[in-house]
Amino acid sequence: QSALTQPASVSGSPGQSITISCTGSSSDVGSYNLVSWYRQHPGDAPKLIIYEVSKRPSGVSNRFSGSKSGYTASLTISGLQAEDEADFFCCSYAGSSRHVLFGGGTKLTVL
Amino acid sequence: QVQLQESGPGLVKPSQTLSLTCTVSGDSIYSGGYFWSWLRQHPGKGLEWIGHIYYSGSTYYNPSLESRVTMSIDTSKNQFSLKLSSVTAADTAVYYCARADYYGLGSFSRFDPWGQGTLVTVSS
Repeated sequence: QSALTQPASVSGSPGQSITISCTGSSSDVGSYNLVSWYRQHPGDAPKLIIYEVSKRPSGVSNRFSGSKSGYTASLTISGLQAEDEADFFCCSYAGSSRHVLFGGGTKLTVL
Repeated sequence: QVQLQESGPGLVKPSQTLSLTCTVSGDSIYSGGYFWSWLRQHPGKGLEWIGHIYYSGSTYYNPSLESRVTMSIDTSKNQFSLKLSSVTAADTAVYYCARADYYGLGSFSRFDPWGQGTLVTVSS
């Protein structure tokens, strides 16, 4: 059982928007704006797509956006494309005792 | 452009020590401002953070693995290393090295970039 909770799967049709949630606690997501999101295609290493809750690295499409409310962070992908089909993981700094926590991952299927 | 590359044995016997090295190119480990990190992913599963090391040698480990993990850094070779002792089949995973932005007071903000990963199988 992962420390951060994500839905196991989400799906959407091309052009639609989807949101993936990542729920933690007061010790991690709720206390720090240090949530990041990673996309992983099969056989590849994870790739950073959002950091510090809502910042996008250079080169990442503006179709990806992040937000946070309370203990839950969210990743929204707008204008779904077939290439978006992948696994998505959230991550949070969790203080000096646990340091780093990941979500269990969400498989996105583009219908 | 910063690149990281993992290297080490792909097969380790149970009870032995898993040893991996990450070679960094395009950046100096000694430049500061970053943690150098190890993570792993069990087959078909999620990501697990193993630990960070700072250029000064300060280390931060996952509490669940801390008793078996040792990380070190070799600034002369621009490499950092992972040792995981007393391995079992449960340690079979793809191991990644990554750079993490140091955010102050032991915190970090993101893992970027990542190495391509290396599969380590624990089996006799």
